[in-house]
Amino acid sequence: NAGVMQNPRHLVRRRGQEARLRCSPMKGHSHVYWYRQLPEEGLKFMVYLQKENIIDESGMPKERFSAEFPKEGPSILRIQQVVRGDSAAYFCASSAGGGSYYEQYFGPGTRLTVT
Amino acid sequence: DQQVKQNSPSLSVQEGRISILNCDYTNSMFDYFLWYKKYPAEGPTFLISISSIKDKNEDGRFTVFLNKSAKHLSLHIVPSQPGDSAVYFCAATTSGNTGKLIFGQGTTLQVKP
Repeated sequence: NAGVMQNPRHLVRRRGQEARLRCSPMKGHSHVYWYRQLPEEGLKFMVYLQKENIIDESGMPKERFSAEFPKEGPSILRIQQVVRGDSAAYFCASSAGGGSYYEQYFGPGTRLTVT
Repeated sequence: DQQVKQNSPSLSVQEGRISILNCDYTNSMFDYFLWYKKYPAEGPTFLISISSIKDKNEDGRFTVFLNKSAKHLSLHIVPSQPGDSAVYFCAATTSGNTGKLIFGQGTTLQVKP
């Protein structure tokens, strides 16, 4: 049973470009969470999605960031017009929901570097 | 507003001894707490959790203690092994919420052979 998959593992973008980060949840999981880890800090919640729905985006920056989890395919975190401060590790986690929503399984992360 | 705090950035212990990692929280609505372990260039891995209705949960070498009145939890690892060397994060959440986890800053544990 494959775990949470994220790609790319490393992504380099110049300032002003767009970054697209993909996350495929564990088989059977329909709940996806995105977290960001800035250097020397803990993980910070960004957004929680279920299939075709954004449930909680309270941690998302109001501009340039968006997320989706379509009916088919992976969840996508999109960052438009990246700036140096967006350089971080972005982790996706999935859960089966229901009574075990807090049991989140993390992917290996995408390390975004903005030059 | 740091709702979950791990005040010790690092901890070094000898192999075979006990490792104690501490975590404090401020939000009294938190009722479920988790510990994650993270190696470099990998995602966090779930270790152990505890509900606020309990004050202790044990799983093999790992035990988590919860002191609700002090809003404090700790992770004990006995005996510590070199493979335990990693960054440890505590996290908290509120049941009935969306399940988002609030993480501490992490403590880097080094277990010396």
